[in-house]
Amino acid sequence: DAKTTQPNSMESNEEEPVHLPCNHSTISGTDYIHWYRQLPSQGPEYVIHGLTSNVNNRMASLAIAEDRKSSTLILHRATLRDAAVYYCILSRGSTLGRLYFGRGTQLTVWP
Amino acid sequence: NAGVMQNPRHLVRRRGQEARLRCSPMKGHSHVYWYRQLPEEGLKFMVYLQKENIIDESGMPKERFSAEFPKEGPSILRIQQVVRGDSAAYFCASSPFRDGEQFFGPGTRLTVL
Repeated sequence: DAKTTQPNSMESNEEEPVHLPCNHSTISGTDYIHWYRQLPSQGPEYVIHGLTSNVNNRMASLAIAEDRKSSTLILHRATLRDAAVYYCILSRGSTLGRLYFGRGTQLTVWP
Repeated sequence: NAGVMQNPRHLVRRRGQEARLRCSPMKGHSHVYWYRQLPEEGLKFMVYLQKENIIDESGMPKERFSAEFPKEGPSILRIQQVVRGDSAAYFCASSPFRDGEQFFGPGTRLTVL
């Protein structure tokens, strides 16, 4: 399974934008890029996913590099509720839908 | 539409007992995934089921663990003769189709004394 690399931790101030990077240099052409997050003591929560083009939804934006070897999750205005572990995950047809969670990035948001 | 439900939320067992974890997927979802999260670690895939069938159990320990998703009722993850190393948070997720967005439940936290 294709591997992703994320920083262990990042910090932000409330109401500032946050850019969470993810490297996936071995991504294949059919791999989707998914982001999930896990708030303390809760199950993971879907954030966003994309294939080639940048994507926006009510929670975040996903910027995908032209060569697809990296991507960035953008939280436009961080809130205290955004403090969580963020996971960048690749999926492909051969994985039958199962998700492989790495260690993710622990985001701390300061008031 | 209620979210994914798991019960119990907390379960305490003594070594050697059986643990039975239940997961009710979201309405209309026929795909269920179970994951385990050991303390201070990320989630690890265990098993993927689709109504009455085990599709992929490559992440499930070969012994003591089993899973089912009957035609009627919740999906069950069963751990026989629990050991202290089974202490973890167990999450299930459901999806309307195989590669769809997965919706996670709140998890069952199993503690083995």
